[in-house]
Amino acid sequence: SAVISQKPSRDICQRGTSLTIQCQVDSQVTMMFWYRQQPGQSLTLIATANQGSEATYESGFVIDKFPISRPNLTFSTLTVSNMSPEDSSIYLCSVEGVITEAFFGQGTRLTVV
Amino acid sequence: KQEVTQIPAALSVPEGENLVLNCSFTDSAIYNLQWFRQDPGKGLTSLLLIQSSQREQTSGRLNASLDKSSGRSTLYIAASQPGDSATYLCAVAGANNLFFGTGTRLTVIP
Repeated sequence: SAVISQKPSRDICQRGTSLTIQCQVDSQVTMMFWYRQQPGQSLTLIATANQGSEATYESGFVIDKFPISRPNLTFSTLTVSNMSPEDSSIYLCSVEGVITEAFFGQGTRLTVV
Repeated sequence: KQEVTQIPAALSVPEGENLVLNCSFTDSAIYNLQWFRQDPGKGLTSLLLIQSSQREQTSGRLNASLDKSSGRSTLYIAASQPGDSATYLCAVAGANNLFFGTGTRLTVIP
């Protein structure tokens, strides 16, 4: 199993600003995933982050709005840029999970005011 | 595209009752199915993983079954406790990513 530390756990941000969320894993993993969970909704995949290559974004998500870094096999960041109230969600990072068991961080609860 | 549905959306039961949560999916070509628990405002905790070749998995008071051909899975919780109150999500693994259901919010009343 993998232990994932995600921070911050929550934040309240002003519209127009940016927030960077960090995800640290206790072991080396090939694939890391970033999800968004809007209020009352299920999880939607934002992008897949592989070390050494650009992230692969799902339909409806773009790099300018959600830039992702993956500098090594244990760490990734997701930035939510130029935030608006519609970006208020829980953001989650995850590892593995396509063929094998998926593990999630504790989530970042973002409120944009 | 894979669609995952969970019924009921919400469930309230008295403590000690046994209960079943349902998950259905439209495309039977899956690698595995996983059940998660999510507490309010928090991340997901993995409960059980069933590989596509398996029929069921058990962990403590939890038992998950998988009928891939009919596109169904159930999560059985025995002797429910107030600490079981949470949202339960199922997710199916396709070729490249997970597809999540909308969840069942469970409340166990003391």
